[in-house]
Amino acid sequence: EAGVAQSPRYKIIEKRQSVAFWCNPISGHATLYWYQQILGQGPKLLIQFQNNGVVDDSQLPKDRFSAERLKGVDSTLKIQPAKLEDSAVYLCASTRNRGGNQETQYFGPGTRLLVL
Amino acid sequence: AQSVTQLGSHVSVSEGALVLLRCNYSSSVPPYLFWYVQYPNQGLQLLLKYTTGATLVKGINGFEAEFKKSETSFHLTKPSAHMSDAAEYFCAVSRTGTASKLTFGTGTRLQVTL
Repeated sequence: EAGVAQSPRYKIIEKRQSVAFWCNPISGHATLYWYQQILGQGPKLLIQFQNNGVVDDSQLPKDRFSAERLKGVDSTLKIQPAKLEDSAVYLCASTRNRGGNQETQYFGPGTRLLVL
Repeated sequence: AQSVTQLGSHVSVSEGALVLLRCNYSSSVPPYLFWYVQYPNQGLQLLLKYTTGATLVKGINGFEAEFKKSETSFHLTKPSAHMSDAAEYFCAVSRTGTASKLTFGTGTRLQVTL
């Protein structure tokens, strides 16, 4: 079974530019998560989708971050415009069913973003 | 709100020595607790999780953790460290009764020396 795929793996941009990250979850997984992991910190949830609907986006900076999961499969996370403090690893994870709190989240390798 | 505290951002052990990584949680309701490992340039991989039942949980790669409600702890142990165990380890908590939302600790980097 293929794991969670993410691209690109690395991205360097200048502040005020825009950037997009892509995630393809494990086949058949209904719930998808985007996390931000700043250096020296644990991952922080940005947004959670169940199929193509948003379950939780309370920690997503909506003035600059947006995410979508059209057709309930793959997802895109966008930052526009980027700030220096957005430098981080962006992790995508998925779970099979409703994202119940006993379920194991499977993580992709992440996209490392550097904003100059 | 729930949270986890990982004591020690860096832990160094000799190969063959006991590994002990500490995690304390705070939760107003019975928690579900997780340990994840992150190897360089990779995503997080689940080591083990506690939901209900037996408080001593065994995971992959010889790791185990014990849920101690009285101490609000969920420390991770391995009897004998191997060089391949060098990685970053994250403790996480989720709240029962709601859709899954993991709250992670700040991580502990484990170094294994010869």
